[in-house]
Parts: sequence; structure tokens; C-alpha cells
Amino acid sequence: AQKITQTQPGMFVQEKEAVTLDCTYDTSDPSYGLFWYKQPSSGEMIFLIYQGSYDQQNATEGRYSLNFQKARKSANLVISASQLGDSAMYFCAMREGGRNDYKLSFGAGTTVTVRA
Amino acid sequence: NAGVMQNPRHLVRRRGQEARLRCSPMKGHSHVYWYRQLPEEGLKFMVYLQKENIIDESGMPKERFSAEFPKEGPSILRIQQVVRGDSAAYFCASSQDRVASYNEQFFGPGTRLTVL
Repeated sequence: AQKITQTQPGMFVQEKEAVTLDCTYDTSDPSYGLFWYKQPSSGEMIFLIYQGSYDQQNATEGRYSLNFQKARKSANLVISASQLGDSAMYFCAMREGGRNDYKLSFGAGTTVTVRA
Repeated sequence: NAGVMQNPRHLVRRRGQEARLRCSPMKGHSHVYWYRQLPEEGLKFMVYLQKENIIDESGMPKERFSAEFPKEGPSILRIQQVVRGDSAAYFCASSQDRVASYNEQFFGPGTRLTVL
């Protein structure tokens, strides 16, 4: 079964608007971490934001915020005030606890295109 | 403070040749992880190594693929007798300790392997 599901293959957003990227996850482990990465056309993986399963508050990093809904097992990324440089592929990933706690499981990604 | 280094960044091989991908972890990091990204997909875990030890190679194809992380020098991912299906981006990540709770894996820029 897929551990991470990203249902939006591609999205367009107008510059300066906000965009929400969906991510749902599947785990029975009570301890896990959720990550978002950005992959621009140059190909590198850039870490954006992290949310731990026991964190009480939603994570925020600058223009990035994570809408964490534990009961729904969703961890959506919100990018506010989109910029042209935000055009990239975005991946949601999860790391579970237990003896495989070093493995990141990635979703298929969402391509974001910011229009001027 | 250099990040994770990977070389070469791009590698072209003909079917049947060998590919050697190198990863130098961040200074002070002794844990290395390799991931593969096939076209239009997310990253998939391949192998986890510590210095001189393979901890988990469950994500690595059983044949033609091998990985090492010697006491001195970079980690090497070796693919023998490459086939077209090996064309992908190969990412290396490193961490200071075995990853647990909030502890990012720092990714390198990736090596893009093209098999002709």
C-alpha cells in the first residue's frame, strides 16, 4: 500500500496567491515525521518543512506552512504569496518510527507552475 | 561547510557498461542513504550504510547493484551491466547519527544516469 499519496500531479497558481498541495499518509505507527521537499528543474532536493506526529502546533517556515490534520492523516503544504521561483516539483515524505526509522517514503510529487 | 557532494552530476553509459556513483557525506556524518528517482516518480529508498557496514539494502535490486562506504573515502553505488531501465536520478543523503525523530537527512544534488 502507498504510504504517501499526492493526488495533484500538476497545479497552476497566480503570482502572489497562495497554493495548497495535498498530501495524505498511511501508517499505524504512533511516532512519525512528515517532510516536504522542493525539487526545482535543476534537480536538487531542497528541504522545506517538517512536522512531527506529536507536535501540537502546525509547522511554519517563512512562506511555508503545514496544515497537519492527524485524524485525517493529511499534511498539506501551503505556500503563501507565491513567487515565480516557487515553480518546481514538490514532494511529501514520511519517516516512521521503529526499526526502519531512517527510511523516507516519498509521494509521486506535485508540479507547481507559478504564472506572472 | 560543504554539503553532501555527489559526482559525477551527469553520467552517460551504454548498455552493458558499469556505472560508479560517488557520494561524499557532510563533514562529521557517518551515515549514508541512497535513493533512486525514476522519471516522473518520487524517490525510493535503496540502501543505508554506515562506515564499512551495510545496514539495510532492502531497496536495492538483488542483481547488478552494490554499495559500499569504506573507512576512508566516499560511498560508492555501483551498477554493473547497466540497462536502459537503470536511467534515473540517484540521490545520496547523509546524517550525523542514525536518523531518529527530528533529524534531517541532508541530500546531495544527485547523479543523473542515462543509459543509451
